[in-house]
Amino acid sequence: KNQVEQSPQSLIILEGKNCTLQCNYTVSPFSNLRWYKQDTGRGPVSLTIMTFSENTKSNGRYTATLDADTKQSSLHITASQLSDSASYICVVSPGGSGDKLTFGTGTRLAVRP
Amino acid sequence: KAGVTQTPRYLIKTRGQQVTLSCSPISGHRSVSWYQQTPGQGLQFLFEYFSETQRNKGNFPGRFSGRQFSNSRSEMNVSTLELGDSALYLCASSRDRDTYNEQFFGPGTRLTVL
Repeated sequence: KNQVEQSPQSLIILEGKNCTLQCNYTVSPFSNLRWYKQDTGRGPVSLTIMTFSENTKSNGRYTATLDADTKQSSLHITASQLSDSASYICVVSPGGSGDKLTFGTGTRLAVRP
Repeated sequence: KAGVTQTPRYLIKTRGQQVTLSCSPISGHRSVSWYQQTPGQGLQFLFEYFSETQRNKGNFPGRFSGRQFSNSRSEMNVSTLELGDSALYLCASSRDRDTYNEQFFGPGTRLTVL
């Protein structure tokens, strides 16, 4: 069964600190992996998308890494800001149409001043 | 460019009633997908529409249905509401059906069933 597991479930950090969120998946075959940021009460917004041939992709202070061999991805947030407080969702696709997207349940990040 | 819009943003219904949610995709986007999001389950795929045809359906009962119009706007309907249908319903649009293309999500409709 295709699964995406994220850890930790929740995380509290101080403003200005760095953090790393983890995503492990068992989806096969694999086409692409993306990270979404979802603010409370809003729809998810895409941060990065990576195919199996990409190891790292950055979007400002967000850097995602992918190891397709171990089926692991991480999202590193540098110099956190209060606005980074949100849920971060890992989504994996084996390619094709939308129904094959497998979503993780997310990591809820709280950045404190 | 306007984003994905969903109406209404909030709904309160009672068990047994039915509800219709609306989604207007980004101009030029022809694929619309619907998701249910609950705290315990995360995002669950409901269905996908492309060119007015349902292309895929998730594992939800027949009480959940939808349609897409010629202008790509989509509606989903839930009949005979149950307490467990309380959730955030998200609509996402993309240019076409290739999952590498970014999906843009709307703000969602928060449905509460009493």
